Amino acid sequence: GAVVSQHPSWVICKSGTSVKIECRSLDFQATTMFWYRQFPKQSLMLMATSNEGSKATYEQGVEKDKFLINHASLTLSTLTVTSAHPEDSSFYICSAGTGTEYGYTFGSGTRLTVV
Amino acid sequence: LAKTTQPISMDSYEGQEVNITCSHNNIATNDYITWYQQFPSQGPRFIIQGYKTKVTNEVASLFIPADRKSSTLSLPRVSLSDTAVYYCLVDTRGTGGFKTIFGAGTRLFVKA
Repeated sequence: GAVVSQHPSWVICKSGTSVKIECRSLDFQATTMFWYRQFPKQSLMLMATSNEGSKATYEQGVEKDKFLINHASLTLSTLTVTSAHPEDSSFYICSAGTGTEYGYTFGSGTRLTVV
Repeated sequence: LAKTTQPISMDSYEGQEVNITCSHNNIATNDYITWYQQFPSQGPRFIIQGYKTKVTNEVASLFIPADRKSSTLSLPRVSLSDTAVYYCLVDTRGTGGFKTIFGAGTRLFVKA
């Protein structure tokens, strides 16, 4: 079945630095990828929709200059958290769809801790 | 996007059948109903999807009445490992680019 790999699974960074999270579709081409963040005991919150070769569409309230999304190929999308602060600490999850299968396939998530 | 409403939490015992109902009154004609399972610190995992009537796979059944304004996920004979959060979503099948909005989900706790 469809597999989405997310890397790293966890990362600790210092406040003020940037962190890049990768999301790869391993066995299918993902025309669209989605990025979510999830705080403890809460549901997933959609941050942005990423289409291959075009600019990401951000949800209201999500700072596009802080959360840089690149979808340069049909199998890779990246989320860069720039100038990270402790309040950016969260669980970040990507998902991918091709338009041909049931549902969407999710990555395993990245736990970001900013200290 | 159709909003979904689910119970916040449910408790069950091992071996019991668990039914989680989701309301989606504003579901559109082209929308499908999809259920996901999420364990702590993991991404959601697809469980089942349906459009109407009944769908069954190796892990669950999905019951959808004729008006499609609700759906019920049925987990037969749950075990401790089924303790997780279950999300009901409605989205348009086949586009791949239709964004998926998660509701609050149902936290299922299975006891021994």
